[in-house]
Amino acid sequence: TQLLEQSPQFLSIQEGENLTVYCNSSSVFSSLQWYRQEPGEGPVLLVTVVTGGEVKKLKRLTFQFGDARKDSSLHITAAQPGDTGLYLCAGARTSGSRLTFGEGTQLTVNP
Amino acid sequence: DTEVTQTPKHLVMGMTNKKSLKCEQHMGHRAMYWYKQKAKKPPELMFVYSYEKLSINESVPSRFSPECPNSSLLNLHLHALQPEDSALYLCASSPIGQKLAKNIQYFGAGTRLSVL
Repeated sequence: TQLLEQSPQFLSIQEGENLTVYCNSSSVFSSLQWYRQEPGEGPVLLVTVVTGGEVKKLKRLTFQFGDARKDSSLHITAAQPGDTGLYLCAGARTSGSRLTFGEGTQLTVNP
Repeated sequence: DTEVTQTPKHLVMGMTNKKSLKCEQHMGHRAMYWYKQKAKKPPELMFVYSYEKLSINESVPSRFSPECPNSSLLNLHLHALQPEDSALYLCASSPIGQKLAKNIQYFGAGTRLSVL
């Protein structure tokens, strides 16, 4: 059973466009992490959100945690080719527990 | 410093070989993980060590044998692998017991394994 539904799975856009990636679940998470991964490399942590309703910004990236801590979104403004990669959301329920990963969003930003 | 170092970066092995993957972190994290990842898929958890003791084995075949010699090192011993075991193997670490950082996992760059 996939506990974290991530969408879209694939996204190909032009440089300068905006986009949003969603992670949804029927389960409550104590925290949710977003990673970006480039081919042949490990996932790089972008942000962790822990409080319901929390919004965090990282330059052109805006992350939001749902009020009920069941969903999260990643919005990228004015996407650039350097944003290309696999974006993964991952939720955790308790301290030291395993992460539940979404299926990932493969983003391609064309120049 | 949030670095997790994995060696080697690439590994090619035959089905009768024995090899080991290594992972090292100096962040004082007491939880360490092995994941297997196929192309464009999320990582799949294999093993979890907490305080140098194996706490989770996700029904991984015995041809994969983890070892945690101390709080900074994690090994994965490989023997008699199959071609379908070819994948990116990722190591991660996380703190335990720190309220705000408790669930954050930091990943290494991975070892790209090819089994011939």
